[in-house]
Amino acid sequence: DAGITQSPRHKVTETGTPVTLRCHQTENHRYMYWYRQDPGHGLRLIHYSYGVKDTDKGEVSDGYSVSRSKTEDFLLTLESATSSQTSVYFCAISESREETQYFGPGTRLLVL
Amino acid sequence: AQKVTQAQTEISVVEKEDVTLDCVYETRDTTYYLFWYKQPPSGELVFLIRRNSFDEQNEISGRYSWNFQKSTSSFNFTITASQVVDSAVYFCALSEAGAAGNKLTFGGGTRVLVKP
Repeated sequence: DAGITQSPRHKVTETGTPVTLRCHQTENHRYMYWYRQDPGHGLRLIHYSYGVKDTDKGEVSDGYSVSRSKTEDFLLTLESATSSQTSVYFCAISESREETQYFGPGTRLLVL
Repeated sequence: AQKVTQAQTEISVVEKEDVTLDCVYETRDTTYYLFWYKQPPSGELVFLIRRNSFDEQNEISGRYSWNFQKSTSSFNFTITASQVVDSAVYFCALSEAGAAGNKLTFGGGTRVLVKP
């Protein structure tokens, strides 16, 4: 299994507070991704990174920002959490653009 | 834009029955990749298979088999002689080779419940 961890694994927060989720990999893969999973929608891409300090938006990026200062870490920030951001968040990594994406264990976020 | 449709939201079978999960995709690219992932009740996403658009050979891995047909834009997945451990949500996904970052588009998933 790919070495991917996510922290925290569970979080409850209140509307309007900032939240940061962390994805850490030990595989030295260039590409990292953040997805959210909601019932009936499968997984949808929020943001992705193709290298240190290189990031781009996915299909559901509004309300989210990301940063990647080191190869192994990819942070997802909700600047001001809303109830619509209650979801399960998955990080994924891939060695190159064409290679398979492997997923972390997920973070369950509840925004009250 | 690319799209993946998994029309079956839930399938219930009795152990040892075969079950086939349908996946239909839409893309304008000629080069693309198709995937299946398994999400067991524990929640993690497990990679099962990856096929590129130039390889239409069917594949078998143990009790799992995949049927890729470009003519019908389908990539169906069959579990033979199902077991209780096969109970999970299965996702089909598509990525286009030309897309930056090889972004995956997922179907809505099919929940498989295997009863003893």
